[in-house]
Amino acid sequence: AQSVTQPDIHITVSEGASLELRCNYSYGATPYLFWYVQSPGQGLQLLLKYFSGDTLVQGIKGFEAEFKRSQSSFNLRKPSVHWSDAAEYFCAVGAGYGQNFVFGPGTRLSVLP
Amino acid sequence: NAGVTQTPKFQVLKTGQSMTLQCAQDMNHEYMSWYRQDPGMGLRLIHYSVGAGITDQGEVPNGYNVSRSTTEDFPLRLLSAAPSQTSVYFCASTPPGGSGNTIYFGEGSWLTVV
Repeated sequence: AQSVTQPDIHITVSEGASLELRCNYSYGATPYLFWYVQSPGQGLQLLLKYFSGDTLVQGIKGFEAEFKRSQSSFNLRKPSVHWSDAAEYFCAVGAGYGQNFVFGPGTRLSVLP
Repeated sequence: NAGVTQTPKFQVLKTGQSMTLQCAQDMNHEYMSWYRQDPGMGLRLIHYSVGAGITDQGEVPNGYNVSRSTTEDFPLRLLSAAPSQTSVYFCASTPPGGSGNTIYFGEGSWLTVV
């Protein structure tokens, strides 16, 4: 069965510092991978997605993610974090018939001024 | 363009009460689904539908019913609410084309069962 793990429950970084959020997946075929962000009390917003091709994917708000098949990873990065990036981040893999998705447990990001 | 609309946004129920979470989308998507979000567990699929008249169970279907009489609407029913159903519920729709397509989420419904 498909699964997604996000090893870090909570990460705190200083504003302006770089950021990397980890995501590992388990899936038998070529995965479709996504990162979503959720601000407190809000819905989910798509940051970026990987289907095929270039393994480095650019997203909105200055985020990027790199797909590494050999490590079954899809880590999210940002070179310089802004206070508005404080939120919860979810990694997801598209799986199964139709458009079902399996989500990771999420990583909460706090940003220090 | 409204996208995916969920109502109500907040609801408090007593144990044993029933209620329906409404979901509507105006993008003519065939595929719709319901997720629940709990702390430390991400989003888990409750039920999904691949088109009008067709529904199927997801990962955590117990205690919930769904129906899909039209392409636009996909309501989620709690027949006898339990405290374990306290959660945030997200309705979603996806255009055709398989798991590679973006999933569009509603803004969520915060449900508390006391």
